[in-house]
Amino acid sequence: AQSVTQPDIHITVSEGASLELRCNYSYGATPYLFWYVQSPGQGLQLLLKYFSGDTLVQGIKGFEAEFKRSQSSFNLRKPSVHWSDAAEYFCAVGAYGGATNKLIFGTGTLLAVQP
Amino acid sequence: DGGITQSPKYLFRKEGQNVTLSCEQNLNHDAMYWYRQDPGQGLRLIYYSQIVNDFQKGDIAEGYSVSREKKESFPLTVTSAQKNPTAFYLCASNRRWGELNTGELFFGEGSRLTVL
Repeated sequence: AQSVTQPDIHITVSEGASLELRCNYSYGATPYLFWYVQSPGQGLQLLLKYFSGDTLVQGIKGFEAEFKRSQSSFNLRKPSVHWSDAAEYFCAVGAYGGATNKLIFGTGTLLAVQP
Repeated sequence: DGGITQSPKYLFRKEGQNVTLSCEQNLNHDAMYWYRQDPGQGLRLIYYSQIVNDFQKGDIAEGYSVSREKKESFPLTVTSAQKNPTAFYLCASNRRWGELNTGELFFGEGSRLTVL
C-alpha cells in the first residue's frame, strides 16, 4: 500500500538559515509527489510537484525538492528561510488509475522560524 | 475567481446531533474529496467522488455520509455515530484522472467542527 513518512514532527530554524524537510514514500510504480504548505486555520497550498523528468523541481516561494528513487525520498529544501515560512508542511504521493484518484498525505512537519 | 468554498468556517455541535458541512466548487472539476485533519495525524481521507452520483469510502468513512447530486457540490454529514468528530475538515477537488489531470488537489479553507 502507498504511504508517506515525514520523520520530523517539528523543526525550528533561524531566519536566514537553510532548511531541509524530509519525506519518504512507499509506492510500487513511478510516484507522483507533492509538497503542500498550510498556514494555521487555512487550507493547503501547493508548493511543488514531481511527475517525471528532472529530479530537481522548483516551486513557489523559493522552495525546491529533489526526487531520489534509490532512497524513496522527496526532500524539500530552501536556501534561506524567511519568518513568513513558518507553517506546517505536508508531503503527499498520488495514487491514480482506474477508479482511484487520490493523494495520500504524510503527518506533516511544523516549521518554526526564530528571529 | 474560481475556487472552493467551505461553510461554515466554525461550527459547534452538541453530542448526538448530526451536522452537515458544505463544499462548493466553481472550477468545473469532476472529482471532490473530504479530508479530516487532527494534530499530528496529517490528512486522512473520509470520502471522495469521481463523478456525479458516485462516491467511494476513504480510510475513515465510519460515522460520515456524503452525497453528490451536482458536479459543483459535495456536502459531508457528520452523524451521531462518529465517536470523535471534533476536527478540522478540508474539502478538495481536481479533474478526473486522465483528463488533463496534473494530479494536485485544490483545497478549500476548511471547517472547524467542535463537539460540546
